[in-house]
Amino acid sequence: EAQVTQNPRYLITVTGKKLTVTCSQNMNHEYMSWYRQDPGLGLRQIYYSMNVEVTDKGDVPEGYKVSRKEKRNFPLILESPSPNQTSLYFCASSLTTPGGSNEQFFGPGTRLTVL
Amino acid sequence: SQQGEEDPQALSIQEGENATMNCSYKTSINNLQWYRQNSGRGLVHLILIRSNEREKHSGRLRVTLDTSKKSSSLLITASRAADTASYFCATDANPYTGGFKTIFGAGTRLFVKA
Repeated sequence: EAQVTQNPRYLITVTGKKLTVTCSQNMNHEYMSWYRQDPGLGLRQIYYSMNVEVTDKGDVPEGYKVSRKEKRNFPLILESPSPNQTSLYFCASSLTTPGGSNEQFFGPGTRLTVL
Repeated sequence: SQQGEEDPQALSIQEGENATMNCSYKTSINNLQWYRQNSGRGLVHLILIRSNEREKHSGRLRVTLDTSKKSSSLLITASRAADTASYFCATDANPYTGGFKTIFGAGTRLFVKA
């Protein structure tokens, strides 16, 4: 089944404790992206990747890191989480970059709470 | 900054009625997409309309695009309780200034009463 998977689905952590949220897609998609969703703000893009070893900042990259060493995986790293990073996080992938005719496929979301 | 802005923020209608949601954006686009999200879940793609198209249909969905006004509307006809969800428009940033970002609006929450 074609899908985007994220782990963990739920995470409660404390300020400053490094964490990684994994994202994997099995559709051989080139474009992958991370979003955070906060009430009243919709989805805001954190980072995106156009292909292996090619990443770029979205609108809200501060406090996050990403890597794209393999085509299927795009982990999101919070080196020193803070309470303002408490949010619902989504990973998404699409065949090619936006501007083409490709929909993005979304993972189920990771609900992160930073105490 | 958010490019897509939907209105209304929330909409409550009776089953069988039509629901119309609007989206405005700021810069030129290649295409505009509408997504649906059931509470707290991942988004699901509904429909894409290209910048050279004015109207597109998919089942009970009708999307219009007015590039001169930088706006789009999503019409759901004969709504059902199962249409209760949040709806988002998404646009691509200008690649010369915004790279290959995707910009989502804040969404419209639709509630369809049975």
